[in-house]
Amino acid sequence: KNEVEQSPQNLTAQEGEFITINCSYSVGISALHWLQQHPGGGIVSLFMLSSGKKKHGRLIATINIQEKHSSLHITASHPRDSAVYICAVDKGNSQLIWGAGTKLIIKP
Amino acid sequence: DAGVIQSPRHEVTEMGQEVTLRCKPISGHDYLFWYRQTMMRGLELLIYFNNNVPIDDSGMPEDRFSAKMPNASFSTLKIQPSEPRDSAVYFCASSRAGTGANVLTFGAGSRLTVL
Repeated sequence: KNEVEQSPQNLTAQEGEFITINCSYSVGISALHWLQQHPGGGIVSLFMLSSGKKKHGRLIATINIQEKHSSLHITASHPRDSAVYICAVDKGNSQLIWGAGTKLIIKP
Repeated sequence: DAGVIQSPRHEVTEMGQEVTLRCKPISGHDYLFWYRQTMMRGLELLIYFNNNVPIDDSGMPEDRFSAKMPNASFSTLKIQPSEPRDSAVYFCASSRAGTGANVLTFGAGSRLTVL
């Protein structure tokens, strides 16, 4: 079993829908990262969480340390949100363990 | 700041040739990471530096790979000799502190094709 599991693997939704991507992990962590990889290949860090919730624009990330689970939400989704969203955890040694990614397609 | 700068963006070379990838991290970032991304294996950490010192190179595939950071503003990843299985996108990323405390800023990546 992978130490970091993301779901769903693929997600297609209509513009405007509320999107949730989940990440579960099985190890102790010092932080969890959410990143976005654009179709062109560039990788952008969205959030780093060690507890609670963070919000940036239409993106919200939450983490439950006890349940070893994090979610990334996108409100009022837009076609430009189409990308691969990746969860990664740091076990305290700056070696990120990467999830397999969730490929999101938002249709107009 | 211009962000993390990588060069070249694309490299096509023949098996056996030496490849050098370059990275300029964000000024003031003490950590620099080299990652490799392939369809089969996803993102893999190759090596990371803290204050120019290699901290963990356990992800470096074999002796054909080497990385240096001679100063705070420059790092290289060298493959000699290159093989077709080295074809991948190589990302450099930097952060102010380790990934337990700070987000990463990625370069645009260097796409390597070894024929």
